[in-house]
Amino acid sequence: DQQVKQNSPSLSVQEGRISILNCDYTNSMFDYFLWYKKYPAEGPTFLISISSIKDKNEDGRFTVFLNKSAKHLSLHIVPSQPGDSAVYFCAASGGGGADGLTFGKGTHLIIQP
Amino acid sequence: DARVTQTPRHKVTEMGQEVTMRCQPILGHNTVFWYRQTMMQGLELLAYFRNRAPLDDSGMPKDRFSAEMPDATLATLKIQPSEPRDSAVYFCASGPSAKTGGLTEAFFGQGTRLTVV
Repeated sequence: DQQVKQNSPSLSVQEGRISILNCDYTNSMFDYFLWYKKYPAEGPTFLISISSIKDKNEDGRFTVFLNKSAKHLSLHIVPSQPGDSAVYFCAASGGGGADGLTFGKGTHLIIQP
Repeated sequence: DARVTQTPRHKVTEMGQEVTMRCQPILGHNTVFWYRQTMMQGLELLAYFRNRAPLDDSGMPKDRFSAEMPDATLATLKIQPSEPRDSAVYFCASGPSAKTGGLTEAFFGQGTRLTVV
């Protein structure tokens, strides 16, 4: 049973437009959420995180929104650039971060010129 | 440039053989994870350690997999005997603990691509 779900296996967005990647979770004990980016033949790299005490965190072109009542988070990338083409993983952790990270299956973002 | 180092990067082995994957976490990180990536399951948590003690290995098939941290600079994941269904990319990650004692973020190695034929 997937506790972290990314229902879109892939997403295609035009360069310069906004990319919105979605993630849903089922475990109400999760209190820390992260987004990772992965290029082929490389390990995932940390992108941005958010604690459950916040509903928004922004870092440059990347913003993560958390809706706890809906158990939903999203990653916004604006403007999208060709280098953003990668697989994006949503991850969650519980126990104040004391637990291991549980990952979704990823969304392949393709930025079209 | 601190990074998580995994060896080997690629491993092809015959079914039934023992496979050992190694990981050097970033110096000072006290949490180490082993993940397996497959097309079907995505990134699955196999095991993780904090201060070298195993905290959770419930994601790991116990009959053939074992994970250890002989010291703070080395984590190992062993499969014996290996099977074709073990073919996947295995990632090691390490992270520091937040002031609360929890994890802030995990830094991943480049992975070991295992093929069992």
